[in-house]
Amino acid sequence: DAEITQSPRHKITETGRQVTLACHQTWNHNNMFWYRQDLGHGLRLIHYSYGVHDTNKGEVSDGYSVSRSNTEDLPLTLESAASSQTSVYFCASSATSTGAYGYTFGSGTRLTVV
Amino acid sequence: SQKIEQNSEALNIQEGKTATLTCNYTNYSPAYLQWYRQDPGRGPVFLLLIRENEKEKRKERLKVTFDTTLKQSLFHITASQPADSATYLCALESEGSYIPTFGRGTSLIVHP
Repeated sequence: DAEITQSPRHKITETGRQVTLACHQTWNHNNMFWYRQDLGHGLRLIHYSYGVHDTNKGEVSDGYSVSRSNTEDLPLTLESAASSQTSVYFCASSATSTGAYGYTFGSGTRLTVV
Repeated sequence: SQKIEQNSEALNIQEGKTATLTCNYTNYSPAYLQWYRQDPGRGPVFLLLIRENEKEKRKERLKVTFDTTLKQSLFHITASQPADSATYLCALESEGSYIPTFGRGTSLIVHP
C-alpha cells in the first residue's frame, strides 16, 4: 500500500545544531508540503513543492529549508535549531495542484530543541 | 486579514446524538473546503471535500454543508459513537492559491 512516512518520530536536539527531518511518500504525488503544529496556532505551512526541483516558501519559512531532488522525498532542514522551533512537524502530499482529492499526512515528527 | 475560525471549546455529546461542528471564514474566496480528523499523536486524516458550487456532501454518517453567503461550513456526524472522539480540522483553499490553510480544530468528545 502507498504511504507517507516521516522520520524520526521523536528528536531532541541542541540549540544551534542543524537538523533534518525526513519525509518519504510512495503515492507518486507531485505536491508535497511541510507544516508545523503548535498549541494555539494550528497547522502552519513552512515550505511546499509542486515537483522535482521546485520549492516555495510558506507562512513560517524563516530558519527552514527544503530541497526536492526526486518525487518521493522532501527533507526539511533546520539550519540552526532554535527553541522556538520546538514543535510537531507534519509532511503532507497531494496528487493534484489543487486539493481536489484532499491531502495525505504523515504521522509527524515531534522535535524538541533544548 | 484572512481568518478561519473553529470553536476552541470542546464539544461534548452523548452517544447516538448528532454532532455539529462549525467552520467560519473571512476574507477568502474558497475553491475547496476540506474536513480532516486528527487523533492524538497522529497526522490529520482527510474525510470530505466540498467545492464552492456545492451546498452539501455526504459520506456514510458524515455530512458537510457549505454556505458561501454566510461564509460557513457545518460538519455533522450522525449517530455519533465514542470512536468518533477526535479533533476535527477544516481547511480552505482559495481560488488561484490552492494552498490549504487550516483552522485550529475543534475537539469532539462522545460519551457512552
